[in-house]
Order: sequence, then structure tokens, then C-alpha cells
Amino acid sequence: GEDVEQSLFLSVREGDSSVINCTYTDSSSTYLYWYKQEPGAGLQLLTYIFSNMDMKQDQRLTVLLNKKDKHLSLRIADTQTGDSAIYFCAEKGAPGGGNKLTFGTGTQLKVEL
Amino acid sequence: GAGVSQTPSNKVTEKGKYVELRCDPISGHTALYWYRQSLGQGPEFLIYFQGTGAADDSGLPNDRFFAVRPEGSVSTLKIQRTERGDSAVYLCASSPKALGDTQYFGPGTRLTVL
Repeated sequence: GEDVEQSLFLSVREGDSSVINCTYTDSSSTYLYWYKQEPGAGLQLLTYIFSNMDMKQDQRLTVLLNKKDKHLSLRIADTQTGDSAIYFCAEKGAPGGGNKLTFGTGTQLKVEL
Repeated sequence: GAGVSQTPSNKVTEKGKYVELRCDPISGHTALYWYRQSLGQGPEFLIYFQGTGAADDSGLPNDRFFAVRPEGSVSTLKIQRTERGDSAVYLCASSPKALGDTQYFGPGTRLTVL
């Protein structure tokens, strides 16, 4: 079945860039997403990328997709303390394979002053 | 506009009891999803509705879990004979239509089974 993996923890200094990585196994993935979860809160959609793209930029966020290696990354420029949260990548499979999202275990980002 | 809402926000019950968790999707969204998030894990898919019908219930762990969406809007997740292992945050999401559309999540219901 599908599998999505992320490193568990990342610590950066305020003002630096953060790069959160994700690998997935489903070669038929159509969309890949990044969600943010703050303590006690639900999931907030940050951005997504269609599988035929290799890059998407949205303000401080840059998503890179290497479809050959099944590797997705999220770069946060000028990281702020408010960016401290858990970041989940998720993939959606091919149409006809269901519309469920398969999530990674999440990367906890800690931003230090 | 209002986002996805879920009630209750917290539910504590005893082993063996029956619970119902409610989800109100974003108005006009035809697709609705339930996920379960255990501590330290990412959300895991349970079931997906397109309109009133369950289009994919492959994630329901066993027959103690059941969900309905009788009028194509509000959905209720029902858990019979709860077990301690059912303790988790139950997340609901909705999207305008299913194919290719982004899922927007509610705040979740934290279920604790004692």
C-alpha cells in the first residue's frame, strides 16, 4: 500500500530557512499536500502541488517535487516563531483509487530565538 | 465563512459504551471524509462520502465503526462497544467535490476511552 515518510524533528533559528522533507511510495500520486498542525488544533492546508509540476512558490513557501525519486520538500523562508508546529505531507492517489489522503507521521518544527 | 465544525470537541467515555461524533462540513461541499489521528501519528483515513453514500469505507477498522450522512450534509461517526484503543482524535474534512479538490479539516473530536 501507500507509504509516506518524514523525519520526526527539525530545529532552526528564527530568520533561517527551514526545509522539511517527505518521501512517498505511490507512483500514481496525483496531488501532494502540506498541512500544518498547531497544538490542540486541526490541520491547516498550507499548499499543494500537482504531480506534473516540479516546483510551486507561494509567498514564504516553496514546494519542490522530484517525481522520479518520489521526494517532496517544503521550504519556509525567514522562519518565524509562529511557524513552530507539526508539518504533515500527504498524497492523494490516482482517480479511481479513492480520494483518501495518505499522511506521513509529521515533522515537528521548532523555531528558536 | 464558517469552516468545518465538529462536536463535541472532547468526549470521555467508558469501555464498552456507544459514542457518536458529529461533523458539519463547509456549506455546499459534497464530499466528506473521516480520519483518525492517534498520538504522535499522522491522520489515517476511515471513510469518505460523496453526497449521501459512502464511496469508500475501506479504512473503517472493524464493524464497531459506522458512519452516516443521511441528507448529504452533516455526518455522524458511530462507535459501538468502545475500546481503549479507540482513543484518538477523530478528524472530519470536506471538499467541494471529490476529484482533485482540496480537503479542509475541522478541529477534531478528542475521544478518550477509559
